[in-house]
Amino acid sequence: DTAVSQTPKYLVTQMGNDKSIKCEQNLGHDTMYWYKQDSKKFLKIMFSYNNKELIINETVPNRFSPKSPDKAHLNLHINSLELGDSAVYFCASSPPFTGVTEAFFGQGTRLTVV
Amino acid sequence: GEDVEQSLFLSVREGDSSVINCTYTDSSSTYLYWYKQEPGAGLQLLTYIFSNMDMKQDQRLTVLLNKKDKHLSLRIADTQTGDSAIYFCAESTTGGYNKLIFGAGTRLAVHP
Repeated sequence: DTAVSQTPKYLVTQMGNDKSIKCEQNLGHDTMYWYKQDSKKFLKIMFSYNNKELIINETVPNRFSPKSPDKAHLNLHINSLELGDSAVYFCASSPPFTGVTEAFFGQGTRLTVV
Repeated sequence: GEDVEQSLFLSVREGDSSVINCTYTDSSSTYLYWYKQEPGAGLQLLTYIFSNMDMKQDQRLTVLLNKKDKHLSLRIADTQTGDSAIYFCAESTTGGYNKLIFGAGTRLAVHP
């Protein structure tokens, strides 16, 4: 059983297009995240939702809009894609905050903007 | 501020011990973590340590924390080829809403 699943796994698109990445977790977790990993493997948090509410919004262009229809899903929509958006995007989830952040990651979506 | 630094590359012989080092700047870090990323996969939590502990051992993994120097290390005993991966150090802080701050990752290469 896949705990955190993202689709698609690969996405190649042209500059200026709009695209979405979907994420679902079946772990019953309250908190979900989007992380971006650049070509040098540097990993940075973009957004976090807790029970469908946005709780972390790092300095991310407003072309990126997360949406959480329910606590098991967190989708990422990107408008007007740019070359610099090329990266691997990871969705993750974690159980209720007890001090330890035990995050479970999806397999990643490799986005290539051409 | 929040900053986590790691050396980028480590090469070891199979059967030897590996030591991956990390430094962090945020003195309010409550937990420190080691995550592993295999090629083409997401990150997997290996182990974590509470900031008031000095050491934690879990089978082949030993985590050492020097809170005074803000230095964290991960020792892998009897390193195997299956341990080849990128290892990320991360921290979380109080009131951080589960926010993890990651280092750049250390690529561990294990050779025969």
